[in-house]
Amino acid sequence: AAGVIQSPRHLIKEKRETATLKCYPIPRHDTVYWYQQGPGQDPQFLISFYEKMQSDKGSIPDRFSAQQFSDYHSELNMSSLELGDSALYFCASSLGPRGTRYEQYFGPGTRLTVT
Amino acid sequence: AQTVTQSQPEMSVQEAETVTLSCTYDTSESDYYLFWYKQPPSRQMILVIRQEAYKQQNATENRFSVNFQKAAKSFSLKISDSQLGDAAMYFCAYRSRNNDMRFGAGTRLTVKP
Repeated sequence: AAGVIQSPRHLIKEKRETATLKCYPIPRHDTVYWYQQGPGQDPQFLISFYEKMQSDKGSIPDRFSAQQFSDYHSELNMSSLELGDSALYFCASSLGPRGTRYEQYFGPGTRLTVT
Repeated sequence: AQTVTQSQPEMSVQEAETVTLSCTYDTSESDYYLFWYKQPPSRQMILVIRQEAYKQQNATENRFSVNFQKAAKSFSLKISDSQLGDAAMYFCAYRSRNNDMRFGAGTRLTVKP
């Protein structure tokens, strides 16, 4: 079965650079969630989108922005990167944010390293 | 690749009773970590309990305990004396030695008063 696809899987950037992470949800899923997991930390919810509109907002820094496109894929844009942004970034998708199917299917994550 | 399966999309329990959430995983590794996370409506992921694969003793945190069956690759979460505040999504997760993480799809727990 198709799963959530994230690209790239690994990314190395320098401080003050920008990065774009992409997430392709499971076909027919209309909701996307972004999480950040720093080394030794619990996943932190960043933001979610339902039908291309922001549905929930978590601890996403102002330097980050995200959007969901008409094909439901999502991109997380990160600017002015800091060393502390080094983390695993997970994307998850579901069918409806609070609809009949609550499960969130996680992608494999993108490992971002800021040097 | 490792996979994590939570076969119960939704569960419900009466307040003060006990409920068990199931999780199975697939791996060829012998050393890894397993976690249960709670996600309330705020979406914040809260670590409930963790288990190191090399430890035979089941982890316990107050009302939360696990039944870790390494040979069967099973890692269930038992919540005793359920409280209304336990209502949330619960995610089972696997972390390999190289820090790759895999999450189950979640189980939505409802607690009935």
